[in-house]
Amino acid sequence: DADVTQTPRNRITKTGKRIMLECSQTKGHDRMYWYRQDPGLGLRLIYYSFDVKDINKGEISDGYSVSRQAQAKFSLSLESAIPNQTALYFCATSGQGNYGYTFGSGTRLTVV
Amino acid sequence: AQSVTQLGSHVSVSEGALVLLRCNYSSSVPPYLFWYVQYPNQGLQLLLKYTSAATLVKGINGFEAEFKKSETSFHLTKPSAHMSDAAEYFCAVSVAGGTSYGKLTFGQGTILTVHP
Repeated sequence: DADVTQTPRNRITKTGKRIMLECSQTKGHDRMYWYRQDPGLGLRLIYYSFDVKDINKGEISDGYSVSRQAQAKFSLSLESAIPNQTALYFCATSGQGNYGYTFGSGTRLTVV
Repeated sequence: AQSVTQLGSHVSVSEGALVLLRCNYSSSVPPYLFWYVQYPNQGLQLLLKYTSAATLVKGINGFEAEFKKSETSFHLTKPSAHMSDAAEYFCAVSVAGGTSYGKLTFGQGTILTVHP
């Protein structure tokens, strides 16, 4: 099994719909992150969580919300999806040190 | 706040040629620097990292990067490109302390194309 699992892998949804992207990890790490990737813009941080009771906004949190259900689970919700939220979304996890992230395989979301 | 700039959104090389992907960082405190690679339809995989030990860092698949504080650079190199190196490469920075401790800021990415 993968260290970081994202579901679904691909999703097409309609404008205005609420959608949830899920992420689970088996690394035993406290820290989890949600990024979105757009061509030419790299990865931009949406939300991050340093432990179950700690949730922080990233640089592009508007239109998104998150829930940290357990140490291993961190879900991202789009309250009312819009077309410019079409992107590749990545979940990642890291330990306490500065050793970098382990990424999931991504969720490709298309809002029509 | 820290940031990274990757010079060149696309780099094209011939198989067997030198690969050079450029990354410059901005940080008010000593940085930790990373290179990640993303193959098509996959997540990001760590290539190498600089964590204030040796300035020349060796990574997987024959890649290496040199931390140059005077130039605020962390360029990625490989002496001889292989077709399998075709991918998108991301430089990232984090800092050793403060509220941003451990949180990565990514560059815009560089797509590497390798021609036969």
